[in-house]
Amino acid sequence: GAGVSQSPSNKVTEKGKDVELRCDPISGHTALYWYRQSLGQGLEFLIYFQGNSAPDKSGLPSDRFSAERTGGSVSTLTIQRTQQEDSAVYLCASSITPGPYTEAFFGQGTRLTVV
Amino acid sequence: DQQVKQNSPSLSVQEGRISILNCDYTNSMFDYFLWYKKYPAEGPTFLISISSIKDKNEDGRFTVFLNKSAKHLSLHIVPSQPGDSAVYFCAATTGSGNTGKLIFGQGTTLQVKP
Repeated sequence: GAGVSQSPSNKVTEKGKDVELRCDPISGHTALYWYRQSLGQGLEFLIYFQGNSAPDKSGLPSDRFSAERTGGSVSTLTIQRTQQEDSAVYLCASSITPGPYTEAFFGQGTRLTVV
Repeated sequence: DQQVKQNSPSLSVQEGRISILNCDYTNSMFDYFLWYKKYPAEGPTFLISISSIKDKNEDGRFTVFLNKSAKHLSLHIVPSQPGDSAVYFCAATTGSGNTGKLIFGQGTTLQVKP
C-alpha cells in the first residue's frame, strides 16, 4: 500500500487479556515508531525502531508492553494482561531515514478499548 | 515531565481571519520542530517544520515562527479556512543521537467558523 497500514482498526478486549496490534510501514522506510493517544491527551511516545539497531524502548509504560519488528518491516505491539488504562488509540508511524529532519508518516491507528 | 506544551486546548476563529497556535518547550536540546494536523479517525499528517537555525518558515498559508530564547514556537494560518478545522500538534526532536524520536504536545483543537 501507499501508506502506513495498521490492523485492526478497532479492538475491544476484556481486562486481563493479551492483545496484538500490527503495523505495516511504508515500503523502504527504515524507521518505525509507536505512539499512543489516550482520551484528551497528546501523543505519547512508546518505542522506536531503526534498522538493525536496538530499539529505543524508553516510552513503554510497563513491562506488559513489548514490540518487535520482523525483517525490518512489519511491527507488532503486544500488550499483556490489559488494563482499562491501556484504552487508547495506538498510532504507528514510519519515516524513510533515521534522521530527525524527516517527517514521519502516520497510520490511522488502532482504537483499543479494554472493558 | 511535559517537555512540549500546548497550553490552549482549543481555539475558534472566523473564516478568513488568522489562526495562531502556540507551543512551548522546556528542553534546550531540541533543535527541530514540527507541526502535525489530525482529523478525527485519521492519523496525524505532517504540516510544516522548522530547524533551530531559522526563526521562520513559510509554506503557503502556513508559517511557523521560532523564538529560541523564549523556547516558544507558533503556527500561523492565514487566511483560515473551514477545512483547517482539526487538532494541531507541535512536536520537537534533537539532532544528536539521531533517534528521530518526536516529543509531542497535547494538541490544540482549531475550529474555523464559516
